[in-house]
Formats: sequence, structure tokens, C-alpha cells
Amino acid sequence: QQPVQSPQAVILREGEDAVINCSSSKALYSVHWYRQKHGEAPVFLMILLKGGEQKGHEKISASFNEKKQQSSLYLTASQLSYSGTYFCGTEIADTDKLIFGTGTRLQVFP
Amino acid sequence: DTGVSQDPRHKITKRGQNVTFRCDPISEHNRLYWYRQTLGQGPEFLTYFQNEAQLEKSRLLSDRFSAERPKGSFSTLEIQRTEQGDSAMYLCATRKGAVNEKLFFGSGTQLSVL
Repeated sequence: QQPVQSPQAVILREGEDAVINCSSSKALYSVHWYRQKHGEAPVFLMILLKGGEQKGHEKISASFNEKKQQSSLYLTASQLSYSGTYFCGTEIADTDKLIFGTGTRLQVFP
Repeated sequence: DTGVSQDPRHKITKRGQNVTFRCDPISEHNRLYWYRQTLGQGPEFLTYFQNEAQLEKSRLLSDRFSAERPKGSFSTLEIQRTEQGDSAMYLCATRKGAVNEKLFFGSGTQLSVL
């Protein structure tokens, strides 16, 4: 039931782009994205609801393909502050809980 | 401070002892969730409440774990007869409603069982 994220880890130079994928075996109602820095709690980035919408947040955007039960997070022109572990959280229809993915560790170097 | 508050931040205990953690949600958040996180892994769902009602408990959770949310306000998570495998970060998260509402996480309680 846990969504699978890929890749497991990404190493970038400042200014480079990255894509993180989240795939579920269940039909999804919504997908959340969170970023967690070492020793801190996860911080919300964005929510996507079923309907295939795409959302943006500064230079971070995401898409949700309901039919494929997949979501992708796009990080553009990465900054040092983007470093951390990214988790997708998926909600299955008619449930009230968020199940988090396996995580993708992102490191951005100068 | 209007965020989700967890206490204590750190807990060191000996195997076999009981421990209790507390979570104070953001006011008016009726959904409250407990997660467990080990190093390098995503938060693992444990249980959640809608107001004072515990609606679901993970089947991975043993009988040693119990949670309460009296009066729909703060919540406690108790682990009885702790084992070394219980060592983890225990995260509390709350939200105002369901589905399209984001989760607000507390800073967590880091449990170390010796």
C-alpha cells in the first residue's frame, strides 16, 4: 500500500533541475508532497487533487495523473535550500489517512 | 505558538519500561494522526482520531501501543513494555478536516530504548 518513489536519491549542482516520481498501486483521491530536513518535521509543499491538475510553488511544481496513479514533483533551478528528503503522501478515496512514500533524498551542492 | 506541540522531545528508556508521549494539536483541528519514523524511511501510519474517536489503528501496531484523545483535544500515545525495535521518531500531525487539507506536523518525540 505504501507508494513507491523514484529515484531514491538525487545529487544536483545549484541551478540544475530534478524530477521525483511517486507511484501507487491504489486509486488515489489526492497526493501531498512534503520536504523534511534532517532532524526536523516534514513541511508541507503542495496538494494535488484528482483531476490531473498541476500546481506550482515558486520553482517547485507537481503533476498528478489519476489514471496512472502517479504524481511527479518538478524542482527547477535548484537552490541549496532544496536539500532534504521529499515524501509523497497519498490518500485513497473514502479514507481519511495519508500514507507516505519511501522518500527521495535530494542533495544540492554549490 | 499556534503549531502542533509534542512532549517530550527526547525520551530514553530501558527495555521493558512504559512510556507516554503527548501531542497538543492546533486549535480547531479535529483530525489527529500518529506516525512513526525510523532513519531514512517515510513516516509510517500508526493511528488517527476524528475528534475523540479513534477511527483506525494500523494492523502493524501491536497491543503494546495505545492512543487516546480525550475530549477531542490533546492526544497521548503509550507504549507498554518497550522493546529496542520501538526506537524511532514518533510524529504527531493534525489537520482541520480531511482529504484536501494539509497536515501540520509537530517536532516529534525521539524515543531511544536501551
